[in-house]
Amino acid sequence: LAKTTQPISMDSYEGQEVNITCSHNNIATNDYITWYQQFPSQGPRFIIQGYKTKVTNEVASLFIPADRKSSTLSLPRVSLSDTAVYYCLVGDAGHSGNTPLVFGKGTRLSVIA
Amino acid sequence: GAGVSQSPSNKVTEKGKDVELRCDPISGHTALYWYRQRLGQGLEFLIYFQGNSAPDKSGLPSDRFSAERTGESVSTLTIQRTQQEDSAVYLCASSLVFPYNEQFFGPGTRLTVL
Repeated sequence: LAKTTQPISMDSYEGQEVNITCSHNNIATNDYITWYQQFPSQGPRFIIQGYKTKVTNEVASLFIPADRKSSTLSLPRVSLSDTAVYYCLVGDAGHSGNTPLVFGKGTRLSVIA
Repeated sequence: GAGVSQSPSNKVTEKGKDVELRCDPISGHTALYWYRQRLGQGLEFLIYFQGNSAPDKSGLPSDRFSAERTGESVSTLTIQRTQQEDSAVYLCASSLVFPYNEQFFGPGTRLTVL
């Protein structure tokens, strides 16, 4: 399973754009990149998933360079409610049906007023 | 629709006792996962069920841990002879394997071993 490395923590002011980068140097051809968000006392929640280039949804954008050895989760104009732990996961997205995604320690984002 | 549910929400037990934790996945989800999360830590994968295939038990920390799943429905995680280091939140998730592997998590069971 591909190992991921991401910063332990980040601070940001409200209204700023936050970019969290995840390194995954040994990503495999079949692997997808998935990000989850976890609030205190809750289970993680899916944010976004991508394979290459850029993916955007109503919550975030995911930027993946051509070599796919890293990815960046971008949160536009964060608010206090975005304070959470963000997990980067790399693995087969179930297309072969056999490999679960592996959660690391995540990045603890603190948004300050 | 109904999400993943887990019971009990909190469990306090004495060292050496056995505990059973229950997970009800989203109907129709063929994959089910158990994770452990210690205070302030990330998620630790325990076990994974996919349809009728043999479960992936590679994450179970010791033979005191076991899990079962009835078909594509309820799962129970059993911890025998609990130890204080078993204290954690135990999270269950389910997913549709195809076309993508978004996992939907339950609220967790907070286990405290005294």
